[in-house]
Amino acid sequence: QQPVQSPQAVILREGEDAVINCSSSKALYSVHWYRQKHGEAPVFLMILLKGGEQKGHEKISASFNEKKQQSSLYLTASQLSYSGTYFCGTAPRAGGTSYGKLTFGQGTILTVHP
Amino acid sequence: GAGVSQSPSNKVTEKGKDVELRCDPISGHTALYWYRQSLGQGLEFLIYFQGNSAPDKSGLPSDRFSAERTGGSVSTLTIQRTQQEDSAVYLCASSLALAGPTTDTQYFGPGTRLTVL
Repeated sequence: QQPVQSPQAVILREGEDAVINCSSSKALYSVHWYRQKHGEAPVFLMILLKGGEQKGHEKISASFNEKKQQSSLYLTASQLSYSGTYFCGTAPRAGGTSYGKLTFGQGTILTVHP
Repeated sequence: GAGVSQSPSNKVTEKGKDVELRCDPISGHTALYWYRQSLGQGLEFLIYFQGNSAPDKSGLPSDRFSAERTGGSVSTLTIQRTQQEDSAVYLCASSLALAGPTTDTQYFGPGTRLTVL
């Protein structure tokens, strides 16, 4: 089952903060975050493997709430280079057709203006 | 070092024709994945190769889709009798396969944009 990302799109001015959420209907084993710029390959940002885990990558960090079956990506003091589409990929903890592989959300389009 | 490469970058074909898309993974990566990305959509899993194991084909949408991986390196995704709904960007990714698709970092290629007229 595809995870649901929210919001679908967000527009920021440089220096503003944003939060992108990724929710699943299944218990999760891992959450992966990627950013894709228009016409380019998705680029890996980070992976979260444990409930309660938080990770950071420059001014981009993420948390994994295992009980709520969701992950949030935090972008602080946004820069123009942060613009792109952010995808979460989730792997379920139990069986089913999506077990053992990543299922990606529909993406969140982030636009940062000067 | 070189990343994942895909060819062609763009492919326009007529409905009913067969197409082949190629992926060259990062050297040393034993796992290879194919995804499809339709306009404004997320990445849809198609197939996964890991070493000499039987591939996970569970994401292939129909029997018109097939993929091979020769010598554990280069992979070819073949779509037979293309339909307009096959139009999408086809992305390939590879990983070191240290632990499996759910925990390995996947490195994506730039994709092949397929347009079926």
